[in-house]
Amino acid sequence: GENVEQHPSTLSVQEGDSAVIKCTYSDSASNYFPWYKQELGKGPQLIIDIRSNVGEKKDQRIAVTLNKTAKHFSLHITETQPEDSAVYFCAAFTSGTYKYIFGTGTRLKVLA
Amino acid sequence: KAGVTQTPRYLIKTRGQQVTLSCSPISGHRSVSWYQQTPGQGLQFLFEYFSETQRNKGNFPGRFSGRQFSNSRSEMNVSTLELGDSALYLCASSIDHTGELFFGEGSRLTVL
Repeated sequence: GENVEQHPSTLSVQEGDSAVIKCTYSDSASNYFPWYKQELGKGPQLIIDIRSNVGEKKDQRIAVTLNKTAKHFSLHITETQPEDSAVYFCAAFTSGTYKYIFGTGTRLKVLA
Repeated sequence: KAGVTQTPRYLIKTRGQQVTLSCSPISGHRSVSWYQQTPGQGLQFLFEYFSETQRNKGNFPGRFSGRQFSNSRSEMNVSTLELGDSALYLCASSIDHTGELFFGEGSRLTVL
């Protein structure tokens, strides 16, 4: 079946460094790729997304890149801050089937 | 604008019992989906409803069921609870099939 692989499962960086999280999806029909941030005790919140007709999108310190040929997409966080510490999930959505497949999450720790 | 509201936030049940969880989507959102979140499995898709119709279903046993009402509010039910059903159950709403999900804070179910 369809799946999304996410790496790494945990990531520790020093404050001010960059963090990169990578996902690979299997369904070539997927056309929407969001990233969610989940803080302790809360539901996931959308932080950035990209659609299949775009290769890169940036929002301040956060960027997402998409390589449709390789079925890869990545989240880049620059100048990390302690408040970036959370669990991050990638997902692949296929509009034809209304189906989301989530990655297994990355626990990011930003060390002050 | 109120977010997605889930009730109850916490509940404890014993094996063999049943449970009903409720979700009120963001006003105007017609799609509601449910996810089970456990530490090792990430977010697993349960089912998705749009205008009272189940459009998609994940790979969960028939003990897991749901429905959506005409006002878009949704409920999910789990019968004959098992220890392994202990999890955070997340509800998410979206306007239509465009993909962007808005999550509630979840209902944390503990089965003893």
